[in-house]
Amino acid sequence: AQKVTQAQTEISVVEKEDVTLDCVYETRDTTYYLFWYKQPPSGELVFLIRRNSFDEQNEISGRYSWNFQKSTSSFNFTITASQVVDSAVYFCALSESLGGNNRLAFGKGNQVVVIP
Amino acid sequence: GAVVSQHPSRVICKSGTSVKIECRSLDFQATTMFWYRQFPKKSLMLMATSNEGSKATYEQGVEKDKFLINHASLTLSTLTVTSAHPEDSSFYICSAQTSGRIYQETQYFGPGTRLLVL
Repeated sequence: AQKVTQAQTEISVVEKEDVTLDCVYETRDTTYYLFWYKQPPSGELVFLIRRNSFDEQNEISGRYSWNFQKSTSSFNFTITASQVVDSAVYFCALSESLGGNNRLAFGKGNQVVVIP
Repeated sequence: GAVVSQHPSRVICKSGTSVKIECRSLDFQATTMFWYRQFPKKSLMLMATSNEGSKATYEQGVEKDKFLINHASLTLSTLTVTSAHPEDSSFYICSAQTSGRIYQETQYFGPGTRLLVL
């Protein structure tokens, strides 16, 4: 069974502060994929990143960075120098490699509020 | 790339009527499409998985006769909420996934449809 835990439900930060969102996952598979999605108030889920279980390199994309620690089953997401446009719900998700039908297990999401 | 559209974005209907929601992959062929339901301030709940040309696979607790899914082509899947009731009011989101190399293993989501049943 898959499980994704995002413990922080709502996080408020002042603009320009950094914010880190924690994601801890559980899976019995050795091959799996981890994702982060952003859901702004409009509702659409925006794909941010995909990481497969064999690639533990951290990644930086602009103000976003991700830290994948297989030893602790964590895939944390940091927004640096936050902006008001970063206000959204962020979901961490896990999928097993099932040969095409990769069902996603979502965490409960982190509501990020950036205060100007 | 990897754009998914949904139509309508918002619909209000009377109890007892049926509502059809379309999900289209605009710039890639979606071998698999997924339908989710999301309640306010909650996470996404997978309703069903559909592959082009075959019957959808429903998650436990989801009534297949209530939520009819058709995946007639590689770019279109539809969800029909039959005999809608107020408890069906929700935010419905589809996603599409391709087996192509570039987008493989990643689900791309549509903008969602807000359904309100009166």
